[in-house]
Amino acid sequence: ETGVTQSPTHLIKTRGQQVTLRCSSQSGHNTVSWYQQALGQGPQFIFQYYREEENGRGNFPPRFSGLQFPNYSSELNVNALELDDSALYLCASSTRTSGRPYEQYFGPGTRLTVT
Amino acid sequence: RKEVEQDPGPFNVPEGATVAFNCTYSNSASQSFFWYRQDCRKEPKLLMSVYSSGNEDGRFTAQLNRASQYISLLIRDSKLSDSATYLCVVYTGGFKTIFGAGTRLFVKA
Repeated sequence: ETGVTQSPTHLIKTRGQQVTLRCSSQSGHNTVSWYQQALGQGPQFIFQYYREEENGRGNFPPRFSGLQFPNYSSELNVNALELDDSALYLCASSTRTSGRPYEQYFGPGTRLTVT
Repeated sequence: RKEVEQDPGPFNVPEGATVAFNCTYSNSASQSFFWYRQDCRKEPKLLMSVYSSGNEDGRFTAQLNRASQYISLLIRDSKLSDSATYLCVVYTGGFKTIFGAGTRLFVKA
């Protein structure tokens, strides 16, 4: 086990609603990245947080936003949900203080269904 | 052209076989490379990091060819438990990590 936890495990929302997903990073890891994985596809990078600031973003609209807290845990917020937002949302933690800063360890994911 | 492209698969191989996956990337400035495996409906798990020309870990060998911009993963003596999707991952800088779409492997008895 990686020590990365996510909540909730499953979620069903309706179009137009807002959702908040949570992630606790592995002990000693200061960086959290969020990914969206649609069925049959590889994970798509949403953004990364380091020292409570967003410092990298993929091709996702502003209605995808996030936070990182002093304990390095993180939230992903999605506003105005669309049907295409239905996916597995993965959180990955890593650290920049180790000799291998880009190895990421994933949580089990949150499966979001938008109806 | 996708930034990271993998063999489409699926690969169906018998136990004991050797199988190789290829992955190409488009950004010549890419810095770090990884292989992850993902079991059905589970999270990706780090299999190997590829920081230089390549490395080996037991039955698994990863190679990097920067000139041709491709990465490969070789699995020797395939086991039933190797059945999974294998994801090629490239760190391009700017805090952005790109995953390939994955190659599905089925190992059969």
